[in-house]
Amino acid sequence: GNSVTQMEGPVTLSEEAFLTINCTYTATGYPSLFWYVQYPGEGLQLLLKATKADDKGSNKGFEATYRKETTSFHLEKGSVQVSDSAVYFCALSLNTNAGKSTFGDGTTLTVKP
Amino acid sequence: DTAVSQTPKYLVTQMGNDKSIKCEQNLGHDTMYWYKQDSKKFLKIMFSYNNKELIINETVPNRFSPKSPDKAHLNLHINSLELGDSAVYFCASSQGQASSGNTIYFGEGSWLTVV
Repeated sequence: GNSVTQMEGPVTLSEEAFLTINCTYTATGYPSLFWYVQYPGEGLQLLLKATKADDKGSNKGFEATYRKETTSFHLEKGSVQVSDSAVYFCALSLNTNAGKSTFGDGTTLTVKP
Repeated sequence: DTAVSQTPKYLVTQMGNDKSIKCEQNLGHDTMYWYKQDSKKFLKIMFSYNNKELIINETVPNRFSPKSPDKAHLNLHINSLELGDSAVYFCASSQGQASSGNTIYFGEGSWLTVV
């Protein structure tokens, strides 16, 4: 079946630190890959996505590259801010998956000043 | 303008009661979803409708019944509420099915507490 495994949290960083949240996937085909972010008290919103191998998604200083050879889509940011504190979800979608997206378990990031 | 709006945002109710959560999207999308997020932030899909037709129905107790009167609305009715139903329920929508790589747009969530 299809699955997404992401780095367990919580992750706590100081402001301006480098962030990596690992995400690997298993899929029976060529999925599209997503990172969603959930700020406290809000719903999830798309952070970035990539639809084919070697594509790089980027937004708000965050980046992730679709690596087919390692089945990974790691999220990175060079310098985090307090406002980046949130829960981050990696997700995949696949045409053969009967309409479903598969979400990882979420990684909680706290950035301290 | 809120793209996906759901009401109520907070709901505290007693065990055994019946409650509904309403959802509306103004994005013109043809696919709508209900997700449940537990206290550990795990997110699980419950239902999906495409053009008012049910296309995903995960293993959810039949006390949960979705209703889609039109493409822009997907309501969730819950009968005989139990303590374990306490969670945050998210309505969402996408243009076309999410399986095709389309972005899912989420509402702000409805915090349900059963006491």
